Amino acid sequence: EIVMTQSPATLSVSPGERATLFCRASQSVSSNLAWYQQKPGQAPRLLIYGASTRATGIPARFSGSLSGTEFTLTISSLQSEDFAVYYCQQYNNWPRTFGQGTKVEVK
Amino acid sequence: EVQLLESGGGLVQPGESLRLSCAASGFTFNIYAMSWVRQAPGKGLEWVSVFGGVDGRAIYADSVKGRFTISRDNSINTLYLQINSLRAEDTAVYYCARGAGSPHYFDSWGQGTLVTVSS
Repeated sequence: EIVMTQSPATLSVSPGERATLFCRASQSVSSNLAWYQQKPGQAPRLLIYGASTRATGIPARFSGSLSGTEFTLTISSLQSEDFAVYYCQQYNNWPRTFGQGTKVEVK
Repeated sequence: EVQLLESGGGLVQPGESLRLSCAASGFTFNIYAMSWVRQAPGKGLEWVSVFGGVDGRAIYADSVKGRFTISRDNSINTLYLQINSLRAEDTAVYYCARGAGSPHYFDSWGQGTLVTVSS
């Protein structure tokens, strides 16, 4: 099974600032990497797939990238509604596996 | 609009069984792979099982293999998860999720149904 490792576990950011979240896979997953946002009491919401393609309706302040073996989710200017937990997930292999999540909190 | 509505959760005792349902609407259900993903209280997401759309193949996480059975009824656009021999560690919110793309990621999620296993 592919292990997904996210960092940091918690990120404290002020509104309007940039947030950068990282995700690494234990083996190659090509670009088959998705990011999800989850708010308390809600289901996850797809943000990014194919490492860098925004899902329908996702604001442009969310961007994803791949550099070497490390995936990055960047939120360019945090809005109040962006404080949440973010998960990466590989869909290159079965079983599908998620990272442990990064909580983005208000600084 | 894609809608997924889970039901069937509840409080059950260890060793008992439960069947979860996910009613789908707003899309052509039979061509999409559908998965169950669970989340234990205060924990992260764990993929549980998938039932393919076109290929009809069922795959399970090792943690549930032999106890969980996924199925679907395309005539009524519903996905199921039969859970047997429930354990305390199965306590979680169970989400159904639609697979999109190839290979597929999860582009739509239901609101989840809570399963609590406790004596």
